[in-house]
Parts: sequence; C-alpha cells; structure tokens
Amino acid sequence: AQSVTQPDIHITVSEGASLELRCNYSYGATPYLFWYVQSPGQGLQLLLKYFSGDTLVQGIKGFEAEFKRSQSSFNLRKPSVHWSDAAEYFCAVRPNTGNQFYFGTGTSLTVIP
Amino acid sequence: EADIYQTPRYLVIGTGKKITLECSQTMGHDKMYWYQQDPGMELHLIHYSYGVNSTEKGDLSSESTVSRIRTEHFPLTLESARPSHTSQYLCASSEEAPVTQYFGPGTRLTVL
Repeated sequence: AQSVTQPDIHITVSEGASLELRCNYSYGATPYLFWYVQSPGQGLQLLLKYFSGDTLVQGIKGFEAEFKRSQSSFNLRKPSVHWSDAAEYFCAVRPNTGNQFYFGTGTSLTVIP
Repeated sequence: EADIYQTPRYLVIGTGKKITLECSQTMGHDKMYWYQQDPGMELHLIHYSYGVNSTEKGDLSSESTVSRIRTEHFPLTLESARPSHTSQYLCASSEEAPVTQYFGPGTRLTVL
C-alpha cells in the first residue's frame, strides 16, 4: 500500500544539538516531497521541497533534507537546533499522478535547554 | 509566502447549529483542499476542488459539504454540528508549477 511513514512519534533534543527527522515513502515513481512544520494552534508552514535534481535541498530556518532514492527516504536535518524549533513536523508526498497530497503522522519535537 | 485565510480561527458552538468555515486565497490557485486534524494526529483529506464548480470528497468520510463558486473562495458547511465534529480544520491551496501546497492558519472547532 502507498504510504508515508514517519517512524519517530516524538523526539527530544538539547538546544544546540543536531537533529534528524526520518521520512520514508512507498510510491512507484519518485513523487514530489515536502516537509512542513506546525506550531500549536497554527497551520502548516512549508520548510522545503524536492522535485528533482540535487538530492540535498535547503529550506527555511536552517533546515535541509536529503532525498535517497535507494532508501525511499527524505530525511530532514538541522545542524544546531534552537528552542523555537519545538513544533510538529510533517513529511508529505504528492505522487506524480493525481492531485492529492499524502501526509505522515508527524513527529513532535521537544527542545530542552 | 502564501496568502490563504481562514475564519473564524476559533469557534465554540452548540449541537445542532449550522456553521460555515470560510477559506480564501489570493494566489489564483485552481486547486483547494480541506483537511481535518485531531490534536497530535495526521491530516485527513475531507474535500478538494480542482476549480470552479468542481468538488470531490476526500479519503475521510465527512458530513460536511463544500462549494466552489469563485476561484478564491472554498467554504465548508456543517448543516448540523455534533460533538464528533470537534477538530481542527485546515484549508490549503496548491499551485501546479511548481507543485506546492500552502496552508491557512486553521479553524479550531468545538461543538458542545
């Protein structure tokens, strides 16, 4: 079955530490890939996206993500986490056919001082 | 930065009331979406539209209805609200080139 998997429900990191959030997908051809961030009570804000080309993409707020075709993964990274990064993070895909977007279940990030 | 608006941001109403959640975008996007999201949970697509006078139901069954009379406007209506409708409702629109979906701030609905 087609799916978007975020295996980590909750992650806690110390401020200044590095961060990696995992995302795996199962769609036939390489879909369009996205990461969104959601603060409590807010909508989703686009962090970055991958369509084609360079497999390492840069986004806003110092985030980057790497597409690995062999692993069907699109992991989100940040070298040094700030307390303001505490939020819910969603990975999303849009298959090459159709118009719907599919979301993972999200990873909740807690940042401790 | 996308310009997509939702009103009201918060709504508390009694059972049986009719409500309409408003969503507007100023980007001229043809495609618009409504998602339902419970706290700490994934997004579930309940309605989408590919353009004026085009609406479809999403993967999650919903008792709500939508309309798309104007490109920029995609309201969602509940004819008779029930406590099971308590949730956050997110509106989104997408452009095709490049394919990207943008979200509004959401409406937090509580039905007593």
